[in-house]
Order: sequence, then C-alpha cells, then structure tokens
Amino acid sequence: EVQLLESGGGSVQPGGSLRLSCVVSGFTFSDYAMTWVRQAPGKGLEWVSSIGNSGATIYYADSVKGRFTISRDNSKNTLFLQMNSLRVEDAALYYCAKDGAAIDPWGQGTLVTVSS
Amino acid sequence: QSALTQPASVSGSPGQSITISCTGTSSDVGGYNYVSWYQQHPGKAPKLLIYEVTNRPSGISSRFSASKSGNTASLTISGLQAEDEAHYYCNSYTTSSTWVFGGGTKVTVL
Repeated sequence: EVQLLESGGGSVQPGGSLRLSCVVSGFTFSDYAMTWVRQAPGKGLEWVSSIGNSGATIYYADSVKGRFTISRDNSKNTLFLQMNSLRVEDAALYYCAKDGAAIDPWGQGTLVTVSS
Repeated sequence: QSALTQPASVSGSPGQSITISCTGTSSDVGGYNYVSWYQQHPGKAPKLLIYEVTNRPSGISSRFSASKSGNTASLTISGLQAEDEAHYYCNSYTTSSTWVFGGGTKVTVL
C-alpha cells in the first residue's frame, strides 16, 4: 500500500521558517518525481514545487521562488520543503504527492499557520 | 502561471448528467495530454478521477468521463448521485515543466 506521511507543519510568525517532511512507502521512491501542493483554508489547490527523481531538476511556483527549497533524500524515502521568509498568504495545508502522468497519490497534509 | 478557468459552481438533480469545463491555453491544456481531474470532499485529500485527459484509475466509476478539445478540457458526471457532491479540480502540465490547477468547481446535487 502506498503511503505518504507529511509532518513539520505548525504555527510561525511572518518572516519565520519551517521545514516540512514527507516520508514515503509502498513504491520505489527514487524512481519518481515528487511534488508539493498547498491549499489555503477554504481555497483551491495550488501547485508549489516539484523535484525530479534524482533531485537534479527542480521547479517552483512564482509565489514561492526564492523563499522555498525542495529537496529529497532517496536513502530515507523522504521529501522535504524548506520554507523561509514565510508570509501570511503561505498559510495552508501542504500536501506531498507522487508525480508522474498525474499528481497522485497524495498524503493527508500538514498544516502551516502564519500569523503574528 | 495563471490558474485554469473552471465555473465556480455546477448543480444537477440525481440521475442527471453535468459537465464541468476547464479552460487553459496552448501552453498547458492545449499543449499536453497530461490533464487530470480530482474530486475533493470536505476535510479529505484530493482523489484522482481522470488522468491523461480520458483515463480512469482503477476503482473509479465509469460515471466519470472526460475529454479535451483545443484549450478546454471537460469532466462529465453521469447519473449524478448524492455522494458526487464535492469540489472538483482540473490540473494540467505546462510548457514551463510545472503544473497548474483550475480554481475548482463546487458540485451540488439538488
């Protein structure tokens, strides 16, 4: 059974940092690209960042470029999202997901709150 | 990276068919066959309904079908059921090697 388990969310003040993690099981992690998607409370889905299977190719949404860093540790089946200079508008439920012909499957998400 | 355009809401009676449109550009929907559709119930993670424009994953009801014409993709739900009441999102790969989602459509079963 494929499982994706996010962690690392929490409450932070504007300008602060958080590091999200996503531990994966049930498929060969190193064979697949991975993606982060977020969903602000009551809002739609927003693609955040994707990373190729080896980590060599990385893409970011304009809204997070220069502030967020995606990475992965294939030896630990773990995906990361380092979030710096957080803004109020970054508050959301952050999902990690396997990337391929579609973004699927998804984890259950980890909640990030940004407020003073 | 502009979001794909979906109607904010669509409604129908049980047993009817409804169609949700998803309009993009030649840089996303029109340029690739990597168009997906997701269903999301409140408090749940999105569930993949359709991938590569028309394909249903194993376990997805045949009541869900999809197509694409030019820069517009469409999802049709046939034989509408109460359990189909949810938000639906389209998604496409783009020429920038990124993904873009639609703004989402709330489906109401009357």
